[in-house]
Amino acid sequence: ETGVTQTPRHLVMGMTNKKSLKCEQHLGHNAMYWYKQSAKKPLELMFVYSLEERVENNSVPSRFSPECPNSSHLFLHLHTLQPEDSALYLCASSQDPGGHTEAFFGQGTRLTVV
Amino acid sequence: ILNVEQSPQSLHVQEGDSTNFTCSFPSSNFYALHWYRWETAKSPEALFVMTLNGDEKKKGRISATLNTKEGYSYLYIKGSQPEDSATYLCAFISGGSYIPTFGRGTSLIVHP
Repeated sequence: ETGVTQTPRHLVMGMTNKKSLKCEQHLGHNAMYWYKQSAKKPLELMFVYSLEERVENNSVPSRFSPECPNSSHLFLHLHTLQPEDSALYLCASSQDPGGHTEAFFGQGTRLTVV
Repeated sequence: ILNVEQSPQSLHVQEGDSTNFTCSFPSSNFYALHWYRWETAKSPEALFVMTLNGDEKKKGRISATLNTKEGYSYLYIKGSQPEDSATYLCAFISGGSYIPTFGRGTSLIVHP
């Protein structure tokens, strides 16, 4: 148990569906992240939020829409996804967004787009 | 696009062997380097956060060194155990962007 919880753990969705991934952290951290792990590719940062403000958007398509309503919760809203978006989506949090503190990861959501 | 390379890609060792892997990263504009262990069906777990050239950190049988001038970090495991089997990831953070760039990882399998 890392203190970062992601739901759901698995998700299958059609290309016309709208779904949301949820992440919650109980560590009192100020920064939260969404990462994407595609097959045979390195972990790729998608978004960073610090104190509920988006501080980084790593050229992610607009069909992925993040939301951070408070410092403990992070969502990733998905709509009109493509099959190539099938991947493991990991949420993480850290004390600060600068990189001098370690990140704590959730167990991920395995997304399949059909 | 920053180039973060990890080698070897995979490694099979016998229980009790000592092993090491490498993370190579750009030698300019260094801010921090992270090492993570990722066991199958679990979350990536932080091992070390390294920020200064010459840093040496240790956690039990695992240790890491950092050379920012030449752009590499080594991770050492002494007396490998089957429970050390995992993928070991490094993440380079450059000054200015603060975006972690991960390597592809080294997959370690320790045979009993």
